[in-house]
Amino acid sequence: EAEVAQSPRYKITEKSQAVAFWCDPISGHATLYWYRQILGQGPELLVQFQDESVVDDSQLPKDRFSAERLKGVDSTLKIQPAELGDSAMYLCASSFTGGNSPLHFGNGTRLTVT
Amino acid sequence: GDSVTQMEGPVTLSEEAFLTINCTYTATGYPSLFWYVQYPGEGLQLLLKATKADDKGSNKGFEATYRKETTSFHLEKGSVQVSDSAVYFCALKALGGGADGLTFGKGTHLIIQP
Repeated sequence: EAEVAQSPRYKITEKSQAVAFWCDPISGHATLYWYRQILGQGPELLVQFQDESVVDDSQLPKDRFSAERLKGVDSTLKIQPAELGDSAMYLCASSFTGGNSPLHFGNGTRLTVT
Repeated sequence: GDSVTQMEGPVTLSEEAFLTINCTYTATGYPSLFWYVQYPGEGLQLLLKATKADDKGSNKGFEATYRKETTSFHLEKGSVQVSDSAVYFCALKALGGGADGLTFGKGTHLIIQP
């Protein structure tokens, strides 16, 4: 079964440094999502792409976070500068376009900011 | 805005016990409803879904029925196993418009004892 690929699996960085996460969605999935999951809580949407366009980034802290999906396939999420409160699991998901389509999640990147 | 409320955990049961995890939602219109499961250190896996009122989603012995009148989507299983130990998330997906990311509950940690 096709999977959403994410890398790295784990990342440790010092505060004020820059960090980037990569996601490759399931082939054919036009919609891509980035979620942040703080330990013990449910995932919260950061940004949604339809092909290469941003559909929803209302919860993305744009002063330090950026996301791109230049060719409408893989995507990068960047944090600069990282803060202690950014420590979390960052999950990427993809789906076919349409309200009934389920999201398929990658295994995530566990970020620790020291 | 949209929201999902699910019972607090952890829920601890003995093997072969009956499981119910309550989930209620608030949304505009008629969203699609999902249950996802997360094992330690992994991403979320789709467990089951329902897309309209009175639909029953089922998978691996788990069931949930979309109840519009009570805005609920409770997860049930007749006989749980140790391997069912995980965190379970109820989620909704709003229909219509471009922004259709999942809204999650906080998760319910299920522990099954042999």
